[in-house]
Amino acid sequence: KQEVTQIPAALSVPEGENLVLNCSFTDSAIYNLQWFRQDPGKGLTSLLLIQSSQREQTSGRLNASLDKSSGRSTLYIAASQPGDSATYLCAVYGSGGSNYKLTFGKGTLLTVNP
Amino acid sequence: ETGVTQSPTHLIKTRGQQVTLRCSSQSGHNTVSWYQQALGQGPQFIFQYYREEENGRGNFPPRFSGLQFPNYSSELNVNALELDDSALYLCASSPTTSGYNEQFFGPGTRLTVL
Repeated sequence: KQEVTQIPAALSVPEGENLVLNCSFTDSAIYNLQWFRQDPGKGLTSLLLIQSSQREQTSGRLNASLDKSSGRSTLYIAASQPGDSATYLCAVYGSGGSNYKLTFGKGTLLTVNP
Repeated sequence: ETGVTQSPTHLIKTRGQQVTLRCSSQSGHNTVSWYQQALGQGPQFIFQYYREEENGRGNFPPRFSGLQFPNYSSELNVNALELDDSALYLCASSPTTSGYNEQFFGPGTRLTVL
């Protein structure tokens, strides 16, 4: 059974700081990994999708890496801004018996202070 | 291109009642998945529909049921509501069932069971 863990559960940083959010998963046989952003009480906004054959993806100030062999992914946010404050969720699309669903972590609540 | 839409935005029900939630998939997408997100948790997979058939199911009781229509829109029905069913219900669509495809999420329906 695939399990996804995100560390830390919460993070508070001053504006302008670079930061890293961590995600680990137990079964390395995945199709892809997605990072999402969720504002309070809202739906999910997809930030980055990394296919299993890729090692990283970049979009603006965001960079996500994937190391399938170790079951880890990181989301790097450069020059953080107060508008980046949200919950960040990592999710993997598994193979085998779970190739039809995303398995999510519980998320990291990020607060960027002005 | 229209994104994933869900209705209603919010609703309040009492224990024992039945509820129907609706989702319209993104144009060109034939696969719809439903997720339940309790407060402070990551989304949990309920089930997936592909071409009007259930394609996979998570660990949810039979009182959670669904439908997909020829236009690929979908419904989630929950019978005999319990207090623990209070959650944000998210719908996601994708072009196919392939694990390589990105999932696109709607804004969610907030269900409160009293």
